[in-house]
Amino acid sequence: DAGVIQSPRHEVTEMGQEVTLRCKPISGHNSLFWYRQTMMRGLELLIYFNNNVPIDDSGMPEDRFSAKMPNASFSTLKIQPSEPRDSAVYFCASTSYSMGGNEQFFGPGTRLTVL
Amino acid sequence: GQQVMQIPQYQHVQEGEDFTTYCNSSTTLSNIQWYKQRPGGHPVFLIQLVKSGEVKKQKRLTFQFGEAKKNSSLHITATQTTDVGTYFCAGSGYNKLIFGAGTRLAVHP
Repeated sequence: DAGVIQSPRHEVTEMGQEVTLRCKPISGHNSLFWYRQTMMRGLELLIYFNNNVPIDDSGMPEDRFSAKMPNASFSTLKIQPSEPRDSAVYFCASTSYSMGGNEQFFGPGTRLTVL
Repeated sequence: GQQVMQIPQYQHVQEGEDFTTYCNSSTTLSNIQWYKQRPGGHPVFLIQLVKSGEVKKQKRLTFQFGEAKKNSSLHITATQTTDVGTYFCAGSGYNKLIFGAGTRLAVHP
C-alpha cells in the first residue's frame, strides 16, 4: 500500500497566485480530511469528505479556499488568490468511516510558502 | 465548540527520564486517539482508547482514558532519543477528530 499521496511536496509561490494541492487517499478509504499545520495555530481541520461529499467545511478560512473530491481516489485543495499568511504545511488524511472513529492515515504533507 | 486542551506545550527531559502529557476535553468523548509526529514528518497513529478508564500499553508507552471520558494521558517510561517528536491527542466528535495543540518532547542524551 502506497499510503496517502500528496503533491507537490513543496510549493513556493508569490502572493496573488493560485495554488492547487493534490491528494490521493488510500484505496478503499471513504473519508478524506484536509488539515493545515502552523506553529501558531497547530493542526487545524479545514474540511472533510465522506464518500466524496463535503460534510464539514467550517474550518475553511475564507472564500479563497476551496476543496473538491471528484472521485474516491482524488481530492484538491485550492487557494486563490494566495496570501503570505497561507504559508503552512497542508496535510491530507484518509480513513475508513465508522461511527466509532478510525485511525487517520496522513500523507507526507505539502509545505506551502507564499512570498 | 468542542475543544481539546493538551499540556505541557513543551517538555525537555534527559534520556532515561519519564515523560507524561495530558489531554482534557470540554465535552465527553466517544473515543480518543494519540498520534506522534517526528520533526519534519507527518502525524502517525499510535493508539485509540474507547472505554471509560481504559489503560493500554505499547512497550514503554502507557495510555489512559479517564473515567468520565473527558481526559487522557500518555506516559513514556525511560525516554530514549527515538521518542523525540510532538505527541497529539485527538478527541473524536461528530465523525471528525479535534486535535490538541500537542506536546513537543525533546530528549537530551
